[in-house]
Amino acid sequence: GDSVTQMEGPVTLSEEAFLTINCTYTATGYPSLFWYVQYPGEGLQLLLKATKADDKGSNKGFEATYRKETTSFHLEKGSVQVSDSAVYFCALSDWGDDKIIFGKGTRLHILP
Amino acid sequence: KAGVTQTPRYLIKTRGQQVTLSCSPISGHRSVSWYQQTPGQGLQFLFEYFSETQRNKGNFPGRFSGRQFSNSRSEMNVSTLELGDSALYLCASTSPTPTRDITRRETQYFGPGTRLLVL
Repeated sequence: GDSVTQMEGPVTLSEEAFLTINCTYTATGYPSLFWYVQYPGEGLQLLLKATKADDKGSNKGFEATYRKETTSFHLEKGSVQVSDSAVYFCALSDWGDDKIIFGKGTRLHILP
Repeated sequence: KAGVTQTPRYLIKTRGQQVTLSCSPISGHRSVSWYQQTPGQGLQFLFEYFSETQRNKGNFPGRFSGRQFSNSRSEMNVSTLELGDSALYLCASTSPTPTRDITRRETQYFGPGTRLLVL
């Protein structure tokens, strides 16, 4: 079945460092790919999405490109801030199916 | 536009009891999905309702059930609670897609969740 694998955390970086969180997926159809973020004590917020191959999703300085050839959707940010500390979930929603399949999440700590 | 709201935010129950959680979607959204989040299993899909009908279901036992009302509000019920049911239960709503049109993959918006503790 469909699945999402993302790098395990926690990931600890200093402020202004470059961030990459790896995410790969397996899917039988034509999935849309998402990154969600969960701040402490809150629900999930959609960070960005891409609906087809080579699409780039971007928001708040974060970017991810839908790579069909490598089945990847890595999250990047050029200069992280303390306020980016949260848990990040890579996810997919496959063709003809509204449910979202999530990765295990990666906890990110940004040190001032 | 108000976001997805869930009530209650926190709940403590004992084993064997049953619980009902409520979710009010964003105004105009007709699809509501439920997810369970635990440290061990992560985020897992429970079920999805659209126009008062269950449209999709995850791999959870029959103790987990749900329903949706004509105003799109949804409830989920867990009967005969077990310790392992302790989790954050998240509800998500999305704008209407009467058919699963792959050209219109609508975004799901999540509520803050209900944190359930089973003792």
